[in-house]
Amino acid sequence: GAVVSQHPSWVICKSGTSVKIECRSLDFQATTMFWYRQFPKQSLMLMATSNEGSKATYEQGVEKDKFLINHASLTLSTLTVTSAHPEDSSFYICSAREASGGYNEQFFGPGTRLTVL
Amino acid sequence: ILNVEQSPQSLHVQEGDSTNFTCSFPSSNFYALHWYRWETAKSPEALFVMTLNGDEKKKGRISATLNTKEGYSYLYIKGSQPEDSATYLCASNTGGFKTIFGAGTRLFVKA
Repeated sequence: GAVVSQHPSWVICKSGTSVKIECRSLDFQATTMFWYRQFPKQSLMLMATSNEGSKATYEQGVEKDKFLINHASLTLSTLTVTSAHPEDSSFYICSAREASGGYNEQFFGPGTRLTVL
Repeated sequence: ILNVEQSPQSLHVQEGDSTNFTCSFPSSNFYALHWYRWETAKSPEALFVMTLNGDEKKKGRISATLNTKEGYSYLYIKGSQPEDSATYLCASNTGGFKTIFGAGTRLFVKA
């Protein structure tokens, strides 16, 4: 149980285009989903926390107009990187927390490798 | 310590060796410590969640200990196997429930 899928697993796009990444909880209802970004050899850095039906909470330094997050249902959250630039190239990974989850236990998707040319 | 730090960054061992690595985390406002196992191209898999000082958890050949007073946790792997090769992440929750991750320890087990 507690499976999270993420799509696409990798994407290459041209500078200036927008890219949407989907995160789905397959067998549980996720009241909260998290979006992380990871640079090589660094930690997962939290970008934003999204709660179903409400606006996402962004971490300091993360541009909310650049990284649009939507959590329209209890099983789906999307991250849209708008007007992508090469510096947005990174590994993006989502996680989800069950409504009944304790100790902030999170279940992760497999991540998306974004390359912006 | 303000961040979660893991050491070593990477580790190469022979099949059959036992190994351990360290996670250091802020001891103030501690709520929970998580260990994850992350294989390439897969989702990080939860290994343990630990909350109490002195906690010891075990799953097969993998075990972990927790010291919340001094802010560290050890992960042990007994008799490493090639399939244990992965990145091991630890993450700390503070009282605000924010999760802070370490950069991971990358383990390579050679047959």
